[in-house]
Amino acid sequence: DAGVTQSPTHLIKTRGQQVTLRCSPKSGHDTVSWYQQALGQGPQFIFQYYEEEERQRGNFPDRFSGHQFPNYSSELNVNALLLGDSALYLCASSFLVDPGLPMLGYTFGSGTRLTVV
Amino acid sequence: KNEVEQSPQNLTAQEGEFITINCSYSVGISALHWLQQHPGGGIVSLFMLSSGKKKHGRLIATINIQEKHSSLHITASHPRDSAVYICALPRSVGSQGNLIFGKGTKLSVKP
Repeated sequence: DAGVTQSPTHLIKTRGQQVTLRCSPKSGHDTVSWYQQALGQGPQFIFQYYEEEERQRGNFPDRFSGHQFPNYSSELNVNALLLGDSALYLCASSFLVDPGLPMLGYTFGSGTRLTVV
Repeated sequence: KNEVEQSPQNLTAQEGEFITINCSYSVGISALHWLQQHPGGGIVSLFMLSSGKKKHGRLIATINIQEKHSSLHITASHPRDSAVYICALPRSVGSQGNLIFGKGTKLSVKP
């Protein structure tokens, strides 16, 4: 049973470009959360998708957008890349039983290392 | 004051030693995660617990909801346990996917 898979594993982009990162959740999971982890820092929550809609959002600008597909996979898009967007982007999947209850099986992917030059 | 405090920040141990990493938090939670991250790598979820104690192999996690404190123990530590250990918890009860993270404890186990 595959866990959470992210692609690509590494990516180099130029300032001002746009990037799309992809995440396939673990089988049976219906919710995908995205995090940004700058070097030496803890992950920061970007947003979460459930039922193809953005359910929660962290403190990130509108340049960061996402999408969830009917098969629960998700994309993270970042427009007008800045040097400060260089980070490890982590995707986590889980199964949402109830918004007030702990999410089941929270599982992280290995991340996409984005470097903006 | 940070919402999630971990201690120690850095920990060096000899192979075979018993390790304890602590996590204190100030927000009300329904569950707490213990995570492991190797250098340059993704995050592995070790435990999610909302009460009491969980054990998996040489790893034990405990939580005291009233005291807002959790500990991760590693028995018979091994060099392959060297990693950063992070506790994380939902920012609020209604935002289970929006985790806030401690700064991590960097563990180095020497042979």
